[in-house]
Amino acid sequence: GNSVTQMEGPVTLSEEAFLTINCTYTATGYPSLFWYVQYPGEGLQLLLKATKADDKGSNKGFEATYRKETTSFHLEKGSVQVSDSAVYFCALRRDDKIIFGKGTRLHILP
Amino acid sequence: DVKVTQSSRYLVKRTGEKVFLECVQDMDHENMFWYRQDPGLGLRLIYFSYDVKMKEKGDIPEGYSVSREKKERFSLILESASTNQTSMYLCASSLQGGGNIQYFGAGTRLSVL
Repeated sequence: GNSVTQMEGPVTLSEEAFLTINCTYTATGYPSLFWYVQYPGEGLQLLLKATKADDKGSNKGFEATYRKETTSFHLEKGSVQVSDSAVYFCALRRDDKIIFGKGTRLHILP
Repeated sequence: DVKVTQSSRYLVKRTGEKVFLECVQDMDHENMFWYRQDPGLGLRLIYFSYDVKMKEKGDIPEGYSVSREKKERFSLILESASTNQTSMYLCASSLQGGGNIQYFGAGTRLSVL
C-alpha cells in the first residue's frame, strides 16, 4: 500500500546549521509529494510540493527534490533559524486524500 | 486567504458524553477531512467528505461519526466519548482534483476524563 516514512525526531540543531530531514515513500504510480509544517499551537500548512519526478519544491529557504529512483523526498535547508522550530510532515497524495508521515520535531537553538 | 475555523481550541469532556467538534471553511471547498494527531502516530484520517451529505470512512472511524449538512461545515461527533479519544483533532479542506492542497484549522485539543 501507500505509505510515508520519515526520520524520527526530535532533531536539535544550532542556528545557521544545515538541515536534512529524510523522507521515503511507497506508492503505486507517481504520486504528488508534499512537506507540511506545524508551528507551535497551529494547524498544518503546506511548505512545499513536487508533482513529478525530478521536480524541486522550494519555499522559505527549504528545498526538496522528488527522486523516483530512490523513492525519496528529503527536506533540506542550508541555514536554519530559531523560527524554523516546528514539526515537519512528509506526505503523498492518494486520490483526493493525503497520507502523512509521523512527523519530525525540529528544535533550533540560538 | 483560505480560512478553516474550528469552534474550540480546548475542550474537556467526561466519559460517556456526546461530543461535537465543528469545522467551517470559507473557500467553497468540496472536500473536508477530520484527522486526529497523537504523539508518535502522526495524523490519522478519521472521516472525510467529498460533498454535502456525503461521507467516507478514513483509517480509524470507529467511535466517531460525521455530519455534513452544508458545504462549508463538517462536524465530527463522538457518540460516547472515551478516554482513548483524548487527542488533538484537526480539520482540513481542499478543492476537488488538481493540486489537492489541504488547508488546516488550528486544531481542537480534546481531553476526555
